[in-house]
Amino acid sequence: DAGVTQSPTHLIKTRGQQVTLRCSPKSGHDTVSWYQQALGQGPQFIFQYYEEEERQRGNFPDRFSGHQFPNYSSELNVNALLLGDSALYLCASSLTQGRGQETQYFGPGTRLLVL
Amino acid sequence: GQQLNQSPQSMFIQEGEDVSMNCTSSSIFNTWLWYKQDPGEGPVLLIALYKAGELTSNGRLTAQFGITRKDSFLNISASIPSDVGIYFCAGNQAGTALIFGKGTTLSVSS
Repeated sequence: DAGVTQSPTHLIKTRGQQVTLRCSPKSGHDTVSWYQQALGQGPQFIFQYYEEEERQRGNFPDRFSGHQFPNYSSELNVNALLLGDSALYLCASSLTQGRGQETQYFGPGTRLLVL
Repeated sequence: GQQLNQSPQSMFIQEGEDVSMNCTSSSIFNTWLWYKQDPGEGPVLLIALYKAGELTSNGRLTAQFGITRKDSFLNISASIPSDVGIYFCAGNQAGTALIFGKGTTLSVSS
């Protein structure tokens, strides 16, 4: 049973560029959440996708956008990259069961460095 | 962004010692989760708690959902070198985003 997978593992971009990160959820899961983790901090919630729509969003600018595909996989896009966007980007998947207590399982993350 | 108050920030212990860490929130939570993260990896789920007062074990790890629903603790008994890492608490209200603590860095010397 494959867990959550993310690609690429590492990425280097320059300021102003755009980046796309990818996530495949754990088998049987239908919900994908994205987090940004700066060095020495806990993960910060970016947004969550369910049924191909953004269901919740954290305090991140519109430069951060996403998409969920019919197979439940997801992409995170960041436009006009800033130096401060350098971080570990984590994807977490869960199964929405309507009780609001879904447990999230994380992928290994994509390390983004913006120069 | 909003974060939980997790303590201690770091711990340096001897192999075989017991460890305790905790998290507090200003809001009532429906779920408390404890994760462990190794360098360069994603967080790995250790224990999930869903009811106030719930006490759950996973091997040498024990976690409790506080009765006030505003706190949780994680205990590790008889620590071993592979327990080294960063431990995060996370919690949320029903249907809301997970909020994470800043982590407790555990170092174990043999």
